[in-house]
Amino acid sequence: GDSVTQMEGPVTLSEEAFLTINCTYTATGYPSLFWYVQYPGEGLQLLLKATKADDKGSNKGFEATYRKETTSFHLEKGSVQVSDSAVYFCALRRAGGSYIPTFGRGTSLIVHP
Amino acid sequence: DTGVSQNPRHKITKRGQNVTFRCDPISEHNRLYWYRQTLGQGPEFLTYFQNEAQLEKSRLLSDRFSAERPKGSFSTLEIQRTEQGDSAMYLCASSLEGQVNTEAFFGQGTRLTVV
Repeated sequence: GDSVTQMEGPVTLSEEAFLTINCTYTATGYPSLFWYVQYPGEGLQLLLKATKADDKGSNKGFEATYRKETTSFHLEKGSVQVSDSAVYFCALRRAGGSYIPTFGRGTSLIVHP
Repeated sequence: DTGVSQNPRHKITKRGQNVTFRCDPISEHNRLYWYRQTLGQGPEFLTYFQNEAQLEKSRLLSDRFSAERPKGSFSTLEIQRTEQGDSAMYLCASSLEGQVNTEAFFGQGTRLTVV
């Protein structure tokens, strides 16, 4: 079945540091890929998405590129802020039919001033 | 549109009691999902509806759990005879099928604590 694997957290960084959170997936066909962010006590918010190979999703300074050859969708940001502290979830969904969004376990990011 | 709305935000109940949660999806969305999330884990799929039809249920959804979506609008998730292991965040999401690669939009969740 479909699955998403994320790097273990927490990831602890100083403000303005470079961020990478790794995500790899297993799925049949060509899924769409997503990053969601969850702030404490809140639901999940879509951060960015990519729908086909080599697409780059971007939002709020975050980027991720859909790499079909390595089945990866790593999240990056050039300069993190304290307000970026949250849990980040990588997810996939195959198009059509009854395919259900599948999530990774999440990676906690802690940014210190 | 205010997005996906879930009520209540928090629920504390005694073991053995029944609880019911409500989800109001984005109005034009025809698909509605329920997920459960425990501490340190990602959302785990419970069930989903296409309009009013419940099309799939996870094996996580025991007989004590039931979900409905009358008229294809809001949905309810009921847990009967709650157990401490039911303590979790229950998330609802909706999406519009018929579009390619559409994403799911989540509500803020209902946090259940069974004491």
